Amino acid sequence: DAGVTQSPTHLIKTRGQHVTLRCSPISGHKSVSWYQQVLGQGPQFIFQYYEKEERGRGNFPDRFSARQFPNYSSELNVNALLLGDSALYLCASSLASDEQFFGPGTRLTVL
Amino acid sequence: GQSLEQPSEVTAVEGAIVQINCTYQTSGFYGLSWYQQHDGGAPTFLSYNALDGLEETGRFSSFLSRSDSYGYLLLQELQMKDSASYFCAVSGGATNKLIFGTGTLLAVQP
Repeated sequence: DAGVTQSPTHLIKTRGQHVTLRCSPISGHKSVSWYQQVLGQGPQFIFQYYEKEERGRGNFPDRFSARQFPNYSSELNVNALLLGDSALYLCASSLASDEQFFGPGTRLTVL
Repeated sequence: GQSLEQPSEVTAVEGAIVQINCTYQTSGFYGLSWYQQHDGGAPTFLSYNALDGLEETGRFSSFLSRSDSYGYLLLQELQMKDSASYFCAVSGGATNKLIFGTGTLLAVQP
């Protein structure tokens, strides 16, 4: 069984550009969450989606948006990129509330 | 506010036992999870405690005391491959979002 997959693995953008990150959850998982992990820190919650509806949002500006598709895959969009958006973006899928399965992440560098 | 505190670094030798503590201050607490993350990799789930007490999974055990807002991860028979960052994370509220601590970097020495 495939785990959580994310694309692309690495991305380099310049300030002001926008980016779209993609995530495919484990088959059968209907919940997808997005996290941002800056070097040396723990992951920070950005969004959670369940059955295509937003269930939670972290303390991130409106430049960050996401959606979930009928097949439960998800996209995270970030507009007007800032240098501080450089981070590892992690997607996690889950069945229940006790365990989340993380994908390998997308390493975003903003120059 | 919500916060989780862990030691920033721990060093131990192969074969030893190490305990990584976590204290938390959150609202809507449902449970405490532990994740392992190797450098550049994805966090991988280790354990989850919703109730007080000890949960054992192989060489890893995790403990929770809800009244003390405290938990720990115990790693036994340490191996070199256990060198990694370990995060405690609290889940709570209407979603199952995780609030992570800042992580403990474990260095296992021969």
